[in-house]
Amino acid sequence: EVQLVESGGGSVQPGGSLRLSCAASGFTFSSYTMNWVRQAPGKGLEWVSHISGSGTIYYSDSLKGRFTISRDNAKNSLYLQMNSLRAEDTAVYYCVGGTGDYWGQGTLVTVSS
Amino acid sequence: QPVLTQPTSLSASPGASARFTCTFRSGINVGTYRIYWYQQKPGSLPRHLLRYKSDSDKQQGSGVPSRFSGSKDASTNAGLLLISGLQSEDEADYYCAIWYSNTWVFGGGTRLTVL
Repeated sequence: EVQLVESGGGSVQPGGSLRLSCAASGFTFSSYTMNWVRQAPGKGLEWVSHISGSGTIYYSDSLKGRFTISRDNAKNSLYLQMNSLRAEDTAVYYCVGGTGDYWGQGTLVTVSS
Repeated sequence: QPVLTQPTSLSASPGASARFTCTFRSGINVGTYRIYWYQQKPGSLPRHLLRYKSDSDKQQGSGVPSRFSGSKDASTNAGLLLISGLQSEDEADYYCAIWYSNTWVFGGGTRLTVL
C-alpha cells in the first residue's frame, strides 16, 4: 500500500522558517518524481515545487527563492525547507507522488503573528 | 490571464451528465498537452481521476469508474471532463492541470453540485 506521510507543519511567525518532511512507502521512491502542492484555506490547489528521481528541481515563480525542495532516496523521504514565511504561505501542504498519483494527508502551515 | 480557466460552479441532476471545461490561455494549444483531472471532496484529499491527451494517449486513475472520461475541444481550446450517470457522491471540486514550462499549473477548480 502506498503511503505518503507529511510532518513538520505548525504555527510560525512571519519571517520564520519551517521544514516539512514526507515519508514515502509502498512504491519505488527513488525513481518517482515528487511534488509539493499547497492549498490555502477555502482556496484551490497551487503547485509549489518539483524534484525528479535524479534531482532535477523546479519551483513556482511565486516563491521567489524562499523555499528549497530536496529528497533523500536512501530514506525514502522528501523535504521542503521554507524560509521567510509570509501570511500568504498559510496552507495545507501536500506531498504528491508523480502528477497526482499519490497524495499525502497534508500538513497545515499557519503563518501568523 | 491564467494559463487554465475553469468555471467556478456547475450544477446537474442525479443520473444526468456533467461537462467540465478547462480553457487554455490564448497562445497555448490544448492539443499539445496532457491534461490531468482531480476530484476533491469536502474535507478530503485530491484524487487523480484521469489524464487525457488524445484517444491514444489517455489513462484512467486507479479505481476510477469509466463514467469519468476526458476529451478536448479544439474549437474552444479547452480540455473536457465528462461524468455520466451523476451520483450524489460526485459532489466535489474538480481541478484540471498541465505541465507547462517546467511548472505544474492548476486551474482554479469547478465545484459540482448534484441537485
